[in-house]
Amino acid sequence: EPEVTQTPSHQVTQMGQEVILRCVPISNHLYFYWYRQILGQKVEFLVSFYNNEISEKSEIFDDQFSVERPDGSNFTLKIRSTKLEDSAMYFCASSVGQGGTEAFFGQGTRLTVV
Amino acid sequence: QKEVEQDPGPLSVPEGAIVSLNCTYSNSAFQYFMWYRQYSRKGPELLMYTYSSGNKEDGRFTAQVDKSSKYISLFIRDSQPSDSATYLCALKGGGNKLTFGTGTQLKVEL
Repeated sequence: EPEVTQTPSHQVTQMGQEVILRCVPISNHLYFYWYRQILGQKVEFLVSFYNNEISEKSEIFDDQFSVERPDGSNFTLKIRSTKLEDSAMYFCASSVGQGGTEAFFGQGTRLTVV
Repeated sequence: QKEVEQDPGPLSVPEGAIVSLNCTYSNSAFQYFMWYRQYSRKGPELLMYTYSSGNKEDGRFTAQVDKSSKYISLFIRDSQPSDSATYLCALKGGGNKLTFGTGTQLKVEL
């Protein structure tokens, strides 16, 4: 069964460092998303991406964040200068159609900022 | 008032019980209603999605939407220990983002 894969599963980084979280969406999907879940809190939308551009972003997704689809298979989230409060599970998701009603999520990357 | 409210539980039921999980919401712009299952430290897994009011059944799972009351439910029949997880409702309006509830932790005991 096709699935969204994310690497690494866990990343520890020092405050102020840049991190890149990687995702390989399901191959025939066209819409890509990043969500995050701070421990004990709800899953929150960060950004959606289609046709090589951001289609929607939340207020969380400030200038410290960027997304990219560097090739035909990978989708990345970059945090330019990490803060302690960026510590969370980051989930990549993808969907065939617009709007993410049938979005399939990856297993997540646990980011710990120390 | 929060956009989406969901009782966090935990909810503990015996094996074979019928489970009822619920969410209420305040934004009438929500049109699509999803239920996800999340095991500990894993990604959300899509169970069902519905559009507009009514019922949708898939095996042991039934999703119910009442847009007039802004109330959605997920029923699990013949619950199994493997159903023990956190169940998240997720709602979507006209844009791309899903708005999640906080999740209800369910434990099905032998």
